[in-house]
Amino acid sequence: GAGVSQSPSNKVTEKGKDVELRCDPISGHTALYWYRQSLGQGLEFLIYFQGNSAPDKSGLPSDRFSAERTGGSVSTLTIQRTQQEDSAVYLCASSLGRGGGKNIQYFGAGTRLSVL
Amino acid sequence: SQKIEQNSEALNIQEGKTATLTCNYTNYSPAYLQWYRQDPGRGPVFLLLIRENEKEKRKERLKVTFDTTLKQSLFHITASQPADSATYLCALDGEDSSYKLIFGSGTRLLVRP
Repeated sequence: GAGVSQSPSNKVTEKGKDVELRCDPISGHTALYWYRQSLGQGLEFLIYFQGNSAPDKSGLPSDRFSAERTGGSVSTLTIQRTQQEDSAVYLCASSLGRGGGKNIQYFGAGTRLSVL
Repeated sequence: SQKIEQNSEALNIQEGKTATLTCNYTNYSPAYLQWYRQDPGRGPVFLLLIRENEKEKRKERLKVTFDTTLKQSLFHITASQPADSATYLCALDGEDSSYKLIFGSGTRLLVRP
């Protein structure tokens, strides 16, 4: 089947605008992750959804960031009142679930966000 | 808090040689460790997983070791090829057992023809 799909692939916005980034995980994967990657940097964990459990939001950098996952599948990451420091690549990943090999993560190609 | 360290300097080697990348961690005892490859403009791709009770894992030209005493994993690519040039990331399961992965910042490998 298809891999993890993210849209849009690129997003240019003006400072202060809201943006929505979408992630379609692999069918059947119960876990979904959002990461942020700045140029030349590693992956910064943002949020983690596992099945019907409450999401782990511990990585969200501010209350301008939120995410939801509808029907246990598609997820949307919303950034309100964007700032220039929000410019980065936002990566989504999904996995079969928890524990051992089930936590192997499959990544989308990312959304490159540029805030002018 | 837990820390993962990978060499931030690029590793530059000649084609045909063995590349060895290092992942060190502190303040945690992960149950397993994963290695991913990331090419420019793309998301990471899973390569290998090794469990805490495994000392070594192999897949084709790739070999991973896991030393829980030294708190270190080594990632080897034998008979390296220019197509192996990429950034390699190690990842550990999080200390809160939520199974989110904590990624290192990656090491860039350049294989010269």
